Amino acid sequence: AQSVSQHNHHVILSEAASLELGCNYSYGGTVNLFWYVQYPGQHLQLLLKYFSGDPLVKGIKGFEAEFIKSKFSFNLRKPSVQWSDTAEYFCAVIPMDSSYKLIFGSGTRLLVRP
Amino acid sequence: GAVVSQHPSWVICKSGTSVKIECRSLDFQATTMFWYRQFPKQSLMLMATSNEGSKATYEQGVEKDKFLINHASLTLSTLTVTSAHPEDSSFYICSARDRGETQYFGPGTRLLVL
Repeated sequence: AQSVSQHNHHVILSEAASLELGCNYSYGGTVNLFWYVQYPGQHLQLLLKYFSGDPLVKGIKGFEAEFIKSKFSFNLRKPSVQWSDTAEYFCAVIPMDSSYKLIFGSGTRLLVRP
Repeated sequence: GAVVSQHPSWVICKSGTSVKIECRSLDFQATTMFWYRQFPKQSLMLMATSNEGSKATYEQGVEKDKFLINHASLTLSTLTVTSAHPEDSSFYICSARDRGETQYFGPGTRLLVL
């Protein structure tokens, strides 16, 4: 079955630390890739997406992600986190077959300590 | 741009009653909308895909007679939870897909069935 794995369920960092959240998917075909963020009490917001082209994608608020096809990975990074980055982060994949369904990872809760 | 609204944001109802939740894409047309359910501290679970002008497609295990979906226009989809029971209490989230395959999420509706 198609799945998305986020191995880090909880991450705690201090401000200014660098962030990398892992995301792996199990699907051999073409995929569209997304990272969504859910701030406390708010709805899911799109951080960035990858459809094709440059595998290094830049999103909002200083986030970026790199698509490594050979590793089936789409890790999220930020060089220096802020307290306001405290949120839950979801990786999601659309396998480009007939379903076109968005498959979510289980999410990573990030806590940034001031 | 790409704003999706949901109404109501929360609802409390008695067991056996029906509840209707609306999902609207405010600034774009969405031929496809999706309904998800999110359990506490878990990821989103796709319930059904709502297509404008046609019947919804339900995921395995989701009762179509219990969760009625109507996609009346390119900007409105409704989810009706019929004969609600306490186990239907959850956080229901809709999304609307733009022409570019990106889904934008609503703020969610919290349902509590007493």
